[in-house]
Amino acid sequence: NAGVTQTPKFQVLKTGQSMTLQCAQDMNHNSMYWYRQDPGMGLRLIYYSASEGTTDKGEVPNGYNVSRLNKREFSLRLESAAPSQTSVYFCASSWIPGGNTIYFGEGSWLTVV
Amino acid sequence: TQLLEQSPQFLSIQEGENLTVYCNSSSVFSSLQWYRQEPGEGPVLLVTVVTGGEVKKLKRLTFQFGDARKDSSLHITAAQPGDTGLYLCAGFGNKLVFGAGTILRVKS
Repeated sequence: NAGVTQTPKFQVLKTGQSMTLQCAQDMNHNSMYWYRQDPGMGLRLIYYSASEGTTDKGEVPNGYNVSRLNKREFSLRLESAAPSQTSVYFCASSWIPGGNTIYFGEGSWLTVV
Repeated sequence: TQLLEQSPQFLSIQEGENLTVYCNSSSVFSSLQWYRQEPGEGPVLLVTVVTGGEVKKLKRLTFQFGDARKDSSLHITAAQPGDTGLYLCAGFGNKLVFGAGTILRVKS
């Protein structure tokens, strides 16, 4: 089972460049999430989509945009990358919003130089 | 803002030792989860505790939810090198909030 699939796995960007992180889940989950993980700070919610057609800001949304393309796919876009956005990004999904079992992808390592 | 504080941040022990990781907050959570994360992978759910005072066991791992549902602990008995990883607690309040994690290294 694929579960939650993220691409790319690794990316290096120059300051000011843009890029999109792609995420897809094959579990027919309604809710999807984007988190970033930084040393000593745990996982912080960037944006989430409670259901297809809806998106909401999380704890740290500045500098990011998202698109819930369909029920399966939820993308995260950095319009003008900054060094502070160097992080590991995780996509996740759950059956219901804040559902008790959240499944995570393997992560995308982003470095902004 | 609901915050979860985990302690210790780092733990390096010998195989066979016991250990406890703590997760504390001033906020009440409807439930609390523990995840384990290995390098290069996403977190994987270990357990969810829902009721104050609840104790759940998963082989050598024992999870407890505080009576007031503000704190939790993870106890590992006779740690193995395979237990090495990052342990994260996460609490459900009005949203899921993660602690910063405890890095556990078990040496053989």
